[in-house]
Amino acid sequence: AQTVTQSQPEMSVQEAETVTLSCTYDTSESNYYLFWYKQPPSRQMILVIRQEAYKQQNATENRFSVNFQKAAKSFSLKISDSQLGDTAMYFCAFMKADNDMRFGAGTRLTVKP
Amino acid sequence: GAGVSQSPRYKVAKRGQDVALRCDPISGHVSLFWYQQALGQGPEFLTYFQNEAQLDKSGLPSDRFFAERPEGSVSTLKIQRTQQEDSAVYLCASSLTGLAKNIQYFGAGTRLSVL
Repeated sequence: AQTVTQSQPEMSVQEAETVTLSCTYDTSESNYYLFWYKQPPSRQMILVIRQEAYKQQNATENRFSVNFQKAAKSFSLKISDSQLGDTAMYFCAFMKADNDMRFGAGTRLTVKP
Repeated sequence: GAGVSQSPRYKVAKRGQDVALRCDPISGHVSLFWYQQALGQGPEFLTYFQNEAQLDKSGLPSDRFFAERPEGSVSTLKIQRTQQEDSAVYLCASSLTGLAKNIQYFGAGTRLSVL
């Protein structure tokens, strides 16, 4: 079975600074997808960034980037120039080709003014 | 519609009652997923449809949980004889095709409280 571990239940960062959220996963699969989702108090899960395991290059989306270390099974999210609107729960997720998506327990991020 | 729509947004049920939760996926999306999110936890997979076919129901916690998508669009998650441990947010997601590379778009969920 695949498991996803987020070891930081809560994080905080000052506005405009950079923060990194950690995620590790366990799988025997060679082809899979990794995601970071944001869940604000409205509860709607919003995709932040996606990484395909067979791609060596780390994904980036504007202020969001990942550090994907396949051998170490690590997938951390870096948020640069943090904004107040980034305050939310962040979930790391793993998905095999059969669409079975597994989520970590989440990291609550607070951006302080 | 523009996004995945779920109703009701909140549902309070007495223990033993049956409930039905509705999901309207994004128009044209082939795949539909249901997840259960307990308080303070990440979502957990319940079941998956491709069109009207339920391809995976391995995550349904008991035979009291039943999901359907009869016309390949709207889906209903039904919980019979609700129990307190069923209290959670139920999230629905849809994606364009059945390929894993397609992004899943989530609704805002239904918060179920069983008293």
